[in-house]
Amino acid sequence: DAKTTQPNSMESNEEEPVHLPCNHSTISGTDYIHWYRQLPSQGPEYVIHGLTSNVNNRMASLAIAEDRKSSTLILHRATLRDAAVYYCILSSDQGAQKLVFGQGTRLTINP
Amino acid sequence: NAGVTQTPKFRILKIGQSMTLQCAQDMNHNYMYWYRQDPGMGLKLIYYSVGAGITDKGEVPNGYNVSRSTTEDFPLRLELAAPSQTSVYFCASSSRDPGKQYFGPGTRLTVT
Repeated sequence: DAKTTQPNSMESNEEEPVHLPCNHSTISGTDYIHWYRQLPSQGPEYVIHGLTSNVNNRMASLAIAEDRKSSTLILHRATLRDAAVYYCILSSDQGAQKLVFGQGTRLTINP
Repeated sequence: NAGVTQTPKFRILKIGQSMTLQCAQDMNHNYMYWYRQDPGMGLKLIYYSVGAGITDKGEVPNGYNVSRSTTEDFPLRLELAAPSQTSVYFCASSSRDPGKQYFGPGTRLTVT
């Protein structure tokens, strides 16, 4: 599986936008880019996923570079509840999604 | 919908004991997964299933067994528990479409 690289930690302030980067230079043409987050003492929670085009949903936006070698998860207006570990994961579009979790980015939100 | 449920929430086992972690989903998902998460680390895939009667190994299957007799249930069996199996275990499910796995709340297992 292609690997992803994320910063270990980031910090932001409440009600400000947050941009979480992810590098995936060995991504293949059929790999989807997934983002999950894990709040303290909970299971991971799906955030968003995309293939080539930018994606928006009620939780976040996903901006994908034109060459697909990097992507950015955008939280438009962070709240304290967004403090979590964010995982950027690549997975094939075929069959079972065998997600490979790295160590992710620990996001701290300051009040 | 309850989503993905796991029982028990916590369990302490002695070395050499066996137990079954239960997982159930009510979303009629074909795909189900078992992951483990060691302290400070990301999740690792133990086993997965693409439908009733079909299972396959993930990244770290040693010491575990699974079965999938129904669409809803995907139990994980630990035989001869070892301290290295102390971890938090998460079950997940997904539909055929790529993306969006739904995770259960986890089972925290300690082997002493």
